[in-house]
Amino acid sequence: GAGVSQTPSNKVTEKGKYVELRCDPISGHTALYWYRQSLGQGPEFLIYFQGTGAADDSGLPNDRFFAVRPEGSVSTLKIQRTERGDSAVYLCASSPGNGGDTQYFGPGTRLTVL
Amino acid sequence: AQKVTQAQTEISVVEKEDVTLDCVYETRDTTYYLFWYKQPPSGELVFLIRRNSFDEQNEISGRYSWNFQKSTSSFNFTITASQVVDSAVYFCALSDDQGGSEKLVFGKGTKLTVNP
Repeated sequence: GAGVSQTPSNKVTEKGKYVELRCDPISGHTALYWYRQSLGQGPEFLIYFQGTGAADDSGLPNDRFFAVRPEGSVSTLKIQRTERGDSAVYLCASSPGNGGDTQYFGPGTRLTVL
Repeated sequence: AQKVTQAQTEISVVEKEDVTLDCVYETRDTTYYLFWYKQPPSGELVFLIRRNSFDEQNEISGRYSWNFQKSTSSFNFTITASQVVDSAVYFCALSDDQGGSEKLVFGKGTKLTVNP
């Protein structure tokens, strides 16, 4: 079956611009997660959705970052007024939605802010 | 607070050697889950194993084995007879239910290089 997909695979933007990153989870998975991975580091949690609602957004670094999942499937991570420090790989994962389930990761979107 | 420590930043071995990757975790919860993921040069995180806190049985899957010891808060990963294809960054991760979140907390990873 299809895994988690993310688009685009690469995004280059200029400082100050707005970007949207998309995640398509495994069909039937109610839980969806966004992480950010900087070079040489482990992934860091950003936000967790259970269905349509954000159950935990404690990892979002500031109010320039926002994510939605309006129909409980596809999710979009939105970054306003991008800064060079936002450059990283943004990873999406999904799981069936029960406590402690395995999270399956997509290939990531590499964001470069010039 | 939740924390995962992978003290080994990089390990280099010669093919067919055995290698153990260390993972030490911290959590206040009695129910938690531990994971290992592999990140090859292509970049995608590949799930290897999930273990819950109530199951301390060691597990073997082919050349891979995992040693879970609650007494030392460790969940170590051993690759037997390593191969070049094992070269990757390996991450240990922890999930508990603090605050109702299912987020994973990752260690910084161990980069394993297996030389022919």
